[in-house]
Amino acid sequence: DVKVTQSSRYLVKRTGEKVFLECVQDMDHENMFWYRQDPGLGLRLIYFSYDVKMKEKGDIPEGYSVSREKKERFSLILESASTNQTSMYLCASSSGTRNIGYTFGSGTRLTVV
Amino acid sequence: DQQVKQNSPSLSVQEGRISILNCDYTNSMFDYFLWYKKYPAEGPTFLISISSIKDKNEDGRFTVFLNKSAKHLSLHIVPSQPGDSAVYFCAARISGSARQLTFGSGTQLTVLP
Repeated sequence: DVKVTQSSRYLVKRTGEKVFLECVQDMDHENMFWYRQDPGLGLRLIYFSYDVKMKEKGDIPEGYSVSREKKERFSLILESASTNQTSMYLCASSSGTRNIGYTFGSGTRLTVV
Repeated sequence: DQQVKQNSPSLSVQEGRISILNCDYTNSMFDYFLWYKKYPAEGPTFLISISSIKDKNEDGRFTVFLNKSAKHLSLHIVPSQPGDSAVYFCAARISGSARQLTFGSGTQLTVLP
């Protein structure tokens, strides 16, 4: 069964900590995405990557960075966590530019205290 | 600038009746539209899609209608079941775009037994 795996379901971190969210896909997909989901705001794109070592800013990249050293792994980094980064984080992947739709991971619920 | 809008944050429907979820878009370059369903603590899963060259696509209890002149699409669920209770996201794609999907803010559907 193909899947996108996010390393943690729930995380609690302190303000100012550096936080790593990991995402691994086993479908050999070129494209990977990081979204955050907040009530009333839907899914907002943070960063995406269409190839190894390539990254593009989404709509809300401030306070985040990403790393894609291998095709199957896409990491989201919160350089200095703040309370307004408390959210559900969703990773997704897709194949090429013609494929329809994404496969999503189960999400990481991050709470910054 | 929200290019994909879901103006109803919530919808309640009686079991067995029809659920109609609406979505509006502003970008004429969108060539494919998708609906995703999301349960709490899970990632979104693909539900149904429609190409911009069609006006209707049906899959079992789910039908999506596209009105290009009005830049409007809707998802019909007939008959609605309690297990359909979830958040539904509308998404749109520009062909060949690396960032691919743009999501709406979601509609929480509650099907009452």
